[in-house]
Amino acid sequence: LAKTTQPISMDSYEGQEVNITCSHNNIATNDYITWYQQFPSQGPRFIIQGYKTKVTNEVASLFIPADRKSSTLSLPRVSLSDTAVYYCLVDYTGGFKTIFGAGTRLFVKA
Amino acid sequence: GAVVSQHPSRVICKSGTSVKIECRSLDFQATTMFWYRQFPKQSLMLMATSNEGSKATYEQGVEKDKFLINHASLTLSTLTVTSAHPEDSSFYICSARTGSGGRETQYFGPGTRLLVL
Repeated sequence: LAKTTQPISMDSYEGQEVNITCSHNNIATNDYITWYQQFPSQGPRFIIQGYKTKVTNEVASLFIPADRKSSTLSLPRVSLSDTAVYYCLVDYTGGFKTIFGAGTRLFVKA
Repeated sequence: GAVVSQHPSRVICKSGTSVKIECRSLDFQATTMFWYRQFPKQSLMLMATSNEGSKATYEQGVEKDKFLINHASLTLSTLTVTSAHPEDSSFYICSARTGSGGRETQYFGPGTRLLVL
Protein backbone atom coordinates (compact mmCIF):
# COMPACT_ATOMS: atom_id res chain seq x y z
CA LEU A 1 0.00 0.00 0.00
CA ALA A 2 1.21 3.47 -0.85
CA LYS A 3 2.25 5.46 2.22
CA THR A 4 1.52 9.16 2.27
CA THR A 5 3.45 11.97 3.95
CA GLN A 6 2.04 15.43 4.58
CA PRO A 7 3.05 18.41 6.71
CA ILE A 8 1.58 18.10 10.17
CA SER A 9 0.17 21.60 10.24
CA MET A 10 -0.11 24.83 8.28
CA ASP A 11 -1.27 28.33 9.11
CA SER A 12 -2.83 30.78 6.71
CA TYR A 13 -4.88 33.95 6.61
CA GLU A 14 -8.29 34.53 5.17
CA GLY A 15 -8.26 35.24 1.46
CA GLN A 16 -4.95 33.53 0.80
CA GLU A 17 -4.36 30.56 -1.44
CA VAL A 18 -3.22 27.46 0.44
CA ASN A 19 -1.24 24.65 -1.10
CA ILE A 20 -0.82 21.37 0.76
CA THR A 21 1.58 18.85 -0.70
CA CYS A 22 1.46 15.12 -0.14
CA SER A 23 4.26 12.68 -0.94
CA HIS A 24 3.41 9.18 -2.10
CA ASN A 25 6.64 7.77 -3.46
CA ASN A 26 5.47 4.21 -3.96
CA ILE A 27 2.20 4.97 -5.69
CA ALA A 28 1.14 2.19 -8.03
CA THR A 29 0.03 2.47 -11.62
CA ASN A 30 -3.63 1.97 -10.83
CA ASP A 31 -3.79 4.22 -7.77
CA TYR A 32 -5.85 7.38 -7.68
CA ILE A 33 -5.18 10.26 -5.31
CA THR A 34 -8.04 11.55 -3.21
CA TRP A 35 -8.19 14.41 -0.74
CA TYR A 36 -10.58 14.68 2.16
CA GLN A 37 -11.47 17.41 4.64
CA GLN A 38 -12.42 16.60 8.20
CA PHE A 39 -13.94 18.82 10.86
CA PRO A 40 -13.97 17.78 14.53
CA SER A 41 -16.51 15.07 15.31
CA GLN A 42 -17.46 14.62 11.66
CA GLY A 43 -16.60 12.07 9.03
CA PRO A 44 -14.14 13.02 6.30
CA ARG A 45 -15.67 14.87 3.37
CA PHE A 46 -14.56 14.21 -0.20
CA ILE A 47 -12.85 17.21 -1.79
CA ILE A 48 -11.23 16.10 -5.02
CA GLN A 49 -9.73 13.12 -6.77
CA GLY A 50 -7.25 12.80 -9.59
CA TYR A 51 -4.90 10.50 -11.43
CA LYS A 52 -2.50 12.82 -13.23
CA THR A 53 -1.95 16.43 -14.33
CA LYS A 54 -4.54 18.86 -13.02
CA VAL A 55 -8.07 18.47 -11.77
CA THR A 56 -10.30 21.36 -10.73
CA ASN A 57 -13.72 21.51 -9.18
CA GLU A 58 -15.76 24.18 -7.47
CA VAL A 59 -13.80 24.05 -4.23
CA ALA A 60 -10.22 23.06 -5.04
CA SER A 61 -7.58 22.13 -7.57
CA LEU A 62 -5.34 19.12 -7.52
CA PHE A 63 -1.95 19.16 -9.19
CA ILE A 64 -0.17 15.90 -9.91
CA PRO A 65 3.25 15.88 -11.61
CA ALA A 66 4.15 13.40 -14.30
CA ASP A 67 5.91 10.98 -11.96
CA ARG A 68 2.84 11.02 -9.62
CA LYS A 69 5.05 10.70 -6.55
CA SER A 70 3.44 13.73 -5.01
CA SER A 71 0.31 15.79 -5.30
CA THR A 72 -0.70 19.28 -4.22
CA LEU A 73 -4.12 20.33 -3.05
CA SER A 74 -4.77 23.99 -3.76
CA LEU A 75 -7.49 25.87 -1.89
CA PRO A 76 -8.13 29.30 -3.39
CA ARG A 77 -8.97 32.20 -1.07
CA VAL A 78 -9.45 30.27 2.16
CA SER A 79 -11.88 31.41 4.83
CA LEU A 80 -12.10 30.72 8.54
CA SER A 81 -14.43 27.83 7.82
CA ASP A 82 -11.66 26.04 5.95
CA THR A 83 -9.90 25.38 9.24
CA ALA A 84 -9.84 21.59 9.32
CA VAL A 85 -7.66 18.53 8.87
CA TYR A 86 -6.90 17.58 5.29
CA TYR A 87 -6.02 14.03 4.35
CA CYS A 88 -4.35 12.78 1.23
CA LEU A 89 -5.31 9.22 0.38
CA VAL A 90 -3.94 6.96 -2.28
CA ASP A 91 -6.68 4.59 -3.32
CA TYR A 92 -5.71 1.23 -4.64
CA THR A 93 -8.42 0.70 -7.20
CA GLY A 94 -9.78 -2.78 -6.95
CA GLY A 95 -8.02 -3.35 -3.67
CA PHE A 96 -9.49 -3.92 -0.30
CA LYS A 97 -8.37 -1.09 1.91
CA THR A 98 -6.81 2.30 2.19
CA ILE A 99 -4.70 3.67 4.99
CA PHE A 100 -4.94 7.21 6.28
CA GLY A 101 -1.81 9.20 6.99
CA ALA A 102 -1.59 11.74 9.76
CA GLY A 103 -3.21 14.53 7.76
CA THR A 104 -2.46 18.25 7.69
CA ARG A 105 -4.09 20.49 10.25
CA LEU A 106 -4.85 23.79 8.51
CA PHE A 107 -5.57 26.79 10.69
CA VAL A 108 -6.95 29.86 8.96
CA LYS A 109 -6.64 33.11 10.84
CA ALA A 110 -8.62 36.30 10.41
CA GLY B 1 -25.14 11.84 -4.61
CA ALA B 2 -22.83 9.41 -2.77
CA VAL B 3 -24.29 9.89 0.69
CA VAL B 4 -23.43 7.59 3.57
CA SER B 5 -25.38 7.66 6.80
CA GLN B 6 -24.65 6.25 10.22
CA HIS B 7 -26.96 5.50 13.08
CA PRO B 8 -26.85 6.37 15.87
CA SER B 9 -24.81 9.56 15.81
CA ARG B 10 -23.92 9.12 19.44
CA VAL B 11 -24.54 6.49 22.06
CA ILE B 12 -23.83 6.13 25.74
CA CYS B 13 -23.91 2.68 27.23
CA LYS B 14 -22.94 0.83 30.36
CA SER B 15 -19.86 -1.31 30.53
CA GLY B 16 -20.60 -4.89 29.49
CA THR B 17 -23.42 -4.11 27.09
CA SER B 18 -23.33 -4.41 23.31
CA VAL B 19 -23.83 -1.58 20.87
CA LYS B 20 -24.77 -1.81 17.20
CA ILE B 21 -23.86 0.89 14.71
CA GLU B 22 -25.42 0.94 11.26
CA CYS B 23 -23.81 2.26 8.11
CA ARG B 24 -25.91 2.80 5.01
CA SER B 25 -25.11 3.97 1.52
CA LEU B 26 -28.21 5.96 0.63
CA ASP B 27 -27.98 6.45 -3.10
CA PHE B 28 -25.54 3.84 -4.32
CA GLN B 29 -24.64 0.24 -3.81
CA ALA B 30 -21.39 -0.63 -2.14
CA THR B 31 -19.85 -4.05 -2.29
CA THR B 32 -17.13 -2.84 0.05
CA MET B 33 -17.49 -0.79 3.22
CA PHE B 34 -14.84 0.11 5.74
CA TRP B 35 -14.94 0.70 9.47
CA TYR B 36 -12.57 3.10 11.17
CA ARG B 37 -12.10 4.37 14.67
CA GLN B 38 -10.60 7.69 15.58
CA PHE B 39 -9.28 8.94 18.89
CA PRO B 40 -9.05 12.66 19.68
CA LYS B 41 -6.42 14.52 17.69
CA GLN B 42 -5.47 11.36 15.80
CA SER B 43 -5.97 10.09 12.29
CA LEU B 44 -8.49 7.47 11.27
CA MET B 45 -7.43 3.91 12.01
CA LEU B 46 -8.82 1.21 9.78
CA MET B 47 -10.47 -1.55 11.78
CA ALA B 48 -11.90 -3.81 9.13
CA THR B 49 -13.05 -4.15 5.56
CA SER B 50 -16.58 -5.36 5.07
CA ASN B 51 -17.54 -7.14 1.87
CA GLU B 52 -21.14 -7.90 1.03
CA GLY B 53 -21.92 -11.56 1.39
CA SER B 54 -18.63 -12.57 2.93
CA LYS B 55 -16.73 -12.34 6.18
CA ALA B 56 -15.07 -9.10 7.10
CA THR B 57 -11.31 -8.73 6.96
CA TYR B 58 -9.92 -7.35 10.18
CA GLU B 59 -6.76 -5.35 10.64
CA GLN B 60 -4.03 -6.66 12.88
CA GLY B 61 -4.81 -6.08 16.51
CA VAL B 62 -8.56 -5.71 16.04
CA GLU B 63 -10.52 -8.44 17.80
CA LYS B 64 -13.10 -9.87 15.45
CA ASP B 65 -15.09 -11.41 18.29
CA LYS B 66 -15.37 -8.04 19.94
CA PHE B 67 -16.13 -5.97 16.86
CA LEU B 68 -18.69 -7.97 14.89
CA ILE B 69 -19.27 -6.80 11.35
CA ASN B 70 -22.16 -7.84 9.16
CA HIS B 71 -22.53 -6.67 5.58
CA ALA B 72 -26.02 -7.96 4.94
CA SER B 73 -26.79 -6.08 1.76
CA LEU B 74 -25.20 -3.80 -0.79
CA THR B 75 -26.35 -0.77 1.17
CA LEU B 76 -25.97 -1.80 4.80
CA SER B 77 -23.10 -2.78 7.04
CA THR B 78 -23.29 -3.03 10.81
CA LEU B 79 -20.64 -2.91 13.49
CA THR B 80 -21.49 -4.39 16.86
CA VAL B 81 -19.22 -3.62 19.77
CA THR B 82 -19.76 -6.55 22.10
CA SER B 83 -19.27 -6.35 25.86
CA ALA B 84 -18.18 -2.77 25.56
CA HIS B 85 -15.66 -1.34 28.02
CA PRO B 86 -14.59 2.24 28.68
CA GLU B 87 -11.51 1.80 26.49
CA ASP B 88 -13.84 1.17 23.54
CA SER B 89 -15.07 4.74 23.81
CA SER B 90 -14.16 6.38 20.54
CA PHE B 91 -15.44 7.90 17.33
CA TYR B 92 -16.41 5.22 14.84
CA ILE B 93 -16.64 6.10 11.17
CA CYS B 94 -17.72 3.97 8.25
CA SER B 95 -17.13 4.50 4.57
CA ALA B 96 -18.53 2.98 1.42
CA ARG B 97 -16.72 2.66 -1.84
CA THR B 98 -18.30 3.31 -5.18
CA GLY B 99 -17.17 3.78 -8.71
CA SER B 100 -16.47 1.95 -11.89
CA GLY B 101 -14.02 1.67 -14.71
CA GLY B 102 -11.13 1.25 -12.29
CA ARG B 103 -11.83 4.53 -10.54
CA GLU B 104 -13.35 4.19 -7.11
CA THR B 105 -13.92 6.63 -4.30
CA GLN B 106 -14.66 6.22 -0.62
CA TYR B 107 -17.46 8.27 0.87
CA PHE B 108 -17.65 8.56 4.62
CA GLY B 109 -20.47 8.56 7.09
CA PRO B 110 -20.83 11.30 9.71
CA GLY B 111 -19.45 9.10 12.47
CA THR B 112 -20.80 7.64 15.70
CA ARG B 113 -19.55 8.81 19.06
CA LEU B 114 -19.52 5.94 21.54
CA LEU B 115 -19.11 6.55 25.24
CA VAL B 116 -18.92 3.54 27.53
CA LEU B 117 -19.43 4.26 31.20
